[in-house]
Parts: sequence; C-alpha cells; structure tokens
Amino acid sequence: KQEVTQIPAALSVPEGENLVLNCSFTDSAIYNLQWFRQDPGKGLTSLLLIQSSQREQTSGRLNASLDKSSGRSTLYIAASQPGDSATYLCAVSLRQETSGSRLTFGEGTQLTVNP
Amino acid sequence: DAGVTQSPTHLIKTRGQQVTLRCSPKSGHDTVSWYQQALGQGPQFIFQYYEEEERQRGNFPDRFSGHQFPNYSSELNVNALLLGDSALYLCASSRRTAKVSPLHFGNGTRLTVT
Repeated sequence: KQEVTQIPAALSVPEGENLVLNCSFTDSAIYNLQWFRQDPGKGLTSLLLIQSSQREQTSGRLNASLDKSSGRSTLYIAASQPGDSATYLCAVSLRQETSGSRLTFGEGTQLTVNP
Repeated sequence: DAGVTQSPTHLIKTRGQQVTLRCSPKSGHDTVSWYQQALGQGPQFIFQYYEEEERQRGNFPDRFSGHQFPNYSSELNVNALLLGDSALYLCASSRRTAKVSPLHFGNGTRLTVT
C-alpha cells in the first residue's frame, strides 16, 4: 500500500526566504507525482506535475524534483511571499493506474510566510 | 472556460439521512474522481468514473455510490450518514486519453453531519 509522508507538517518563515518542502513515498512504481496548493476551505490547485521519467519541473519561483529510486520529492519555493501562505500537498499515482486520477496524498505542509 | 464546479458549497445533514453532491467537470474532460478530505488530512480517493461507469474504488463502504451522466457530470451519493462522514468532498476531472493530464479540482462541498 502506497504511503505518502510530508515533512514538516507546518513551517513559518519570514518573507523573502527560500524554502524546501519534503515528500516521501513508499512504493517507487509511480506514474507521476503532483504538488498542489490548498487555501483554507478551498479546493486544490495543481502547481507542478512530474512524470516518472522526469527529474524536475519548474514554474516561476517553484521547482519540484523527483528521485524515484529513493522515493522522494522536494518542492523548492524561491523568494517566498505572504501570498504563498497555504497548505502544500504532494500526491502520487501508481503505474498500474495509468489514468493518473487515482492519487494518494500526503497530509500536507502548512506554510505561513510572514511579512 | 469554466473549471470544475461543485454544488452545493455547504450542506448540513442529520445522522441517518442521505445526501447527493454534484460535480461538473472542466470543459474537455471526461473523467471524474471524488475525494473525501477530513479536517487536517490529505484527500482520500473514493472512486473514479468514466464512460458512465465506476472504474476504480478506494476503501469506502457501499454507502458511498456515484453516477456519471452522458455529459460527463457526476453525482456522489452517501446513504445512512454517520458523524464521521463530515468532511470536505472534492471532485476532480481529467482527460483520460491525454498523455499528461493533471487533475483539476473543484472548491468542494463542505458536509457537516450532526
């Protein structure tokens, strides 16, 4: 059974700081890995999707890396801003479920960026 | 281009009652998945629909059932509600034939069971 763990559970940083969120998964036979953002009481917004054959993806100030063999992914946020405050969720889909819509999620990292 | 829309946004029900939640997928998407997110937890996969049939199911009892219509919209039904069913219910859509199709989520329905 795939298990996804995110560390830390919560993080508070001053504005402008670069930060790293960590995600680990137990079954390396993944199809893809996605990072999402969730604002309080809202749905999820997809930030980055990394296919199993890829090592990283970048979008603006965000960079996500994937090391499938070690079962790890990191989300790097550069020059953090108060608007980045949200919960960040990591999710994986398994190779045998190739539609990619059955995701196993971690419990998230709650990020607060202080002005 | 409308994204994933869910209705209602909030719902309060009593134990033992039944509830129906609705979802319209993003334009161009044909696959709908439902997730349950308890407070402070990550979402849990309930089931997935495409071509009007349930294709995959997570570890949820038969009290949870669904339906997909020819226009790809979907419903989630929960019978005999328990207090533990209180959660945010999220609908996600994707395009099954796309090589890379990130999930697009709606804003969810907040269900409270009293």
